[in-house]
Amino acid sequence: GENVEQHPSTLSVQEGDSAVIKCTYSDSASNYFPWYKQELGKRPQLIIDIRSNVGEKKDQRIAVTLNKTAKHFSLHITETQPEDSAVYFCAGFTGGFKTIFGAGTRLFVKA
Amino acid sequence: EADIYQTPRYLVIGTGKKITLECSQTMGHDKMYWYQQDPGMELHLIHYSYGVNSTEKGDLSSESTVSRIRTEHFPLTLESARPSHTSQYLCASSDWGSPLHFGNGTRLTVT
Repeated sequence: GENVEQHPSTLSVQEGDSAVIKCTYSDSASNYFPWYKQELGKRPQLIIDIRSNVGEKKDQRIAVTLNKTAKHFSLHITETQPEDSAVYFCAGFTGGFKTIFGAGTRLFVKA
Repeated sequence: EADIYQTPRYLVIGTGKKITLECSQTMGHDKMYWYQQDPGMELHLIHYSYGVNSTEKGDLSSESTVSRIRTEHFPLTLESARPSHTSQYLCASSDWGSPLHFGNGTRLTVT
C-alpha cells in the first residue's frame, strides 16, 4: 500500500552544521510533499512544501529537493541553530485524499 | 483569527467513562482529521472527513467514533475509556491538496 519511509530516525549535529533528512514514497501518483516541524509539547507546523512539478524549493536556511524518478525527497537545513531542534515529519499527498506521514526524525542541534 | 481549536487541552479520566474531544476550525476547510500521537512519535490517522455527513476510519484501529454535522465541527467520542487510550489526540483540517493545519491537541490520561 501507500507508504512514506523517513531516515534517519534520530540526527545529532553541531550548531552551524547542515542537516539532511530523507524520505521515499511508494505511490507514483503522489504530487505534493509537505514538511512539518514539531517542537516539544507543540503542534506540528508546516515549514516548507514542494509540488511534483518542481525539483527544488528554498526558504532561507531550509530547502527541499524532489526526485520524482527515484521517488524520494529531502529536507536540507543549513547553518543549524539550537532552535532547529525538534521532530521533523515528511509527508506525501496522493491525488485522491490521503496525506501519508513518515515516522519522523528527531533532530538535536548541539550548541 | 482563523485557526483550529481543541478542547480540553488536558483530560484525566477514569476507566469506563464516556468522553468527547472537541475540535472546531474557522478556516472553512472541507477536510478534517483526527490523529493519535504519543509525544514526538509517529502520527496515526484514526478518523477523517471529506465534508458534512462524511466520516471515514483511518489506518489505526480505534474504538472511537466521530461525527461531522457542521463544516467547522468534528468531535471525537470514546464510549468507554481504557488506559490503552492514554495518548495525545491531534485534530487537523485542510483544503484539497493543501497542507494540514493542526490544533494544539488534547492530552488524554485514562486511569
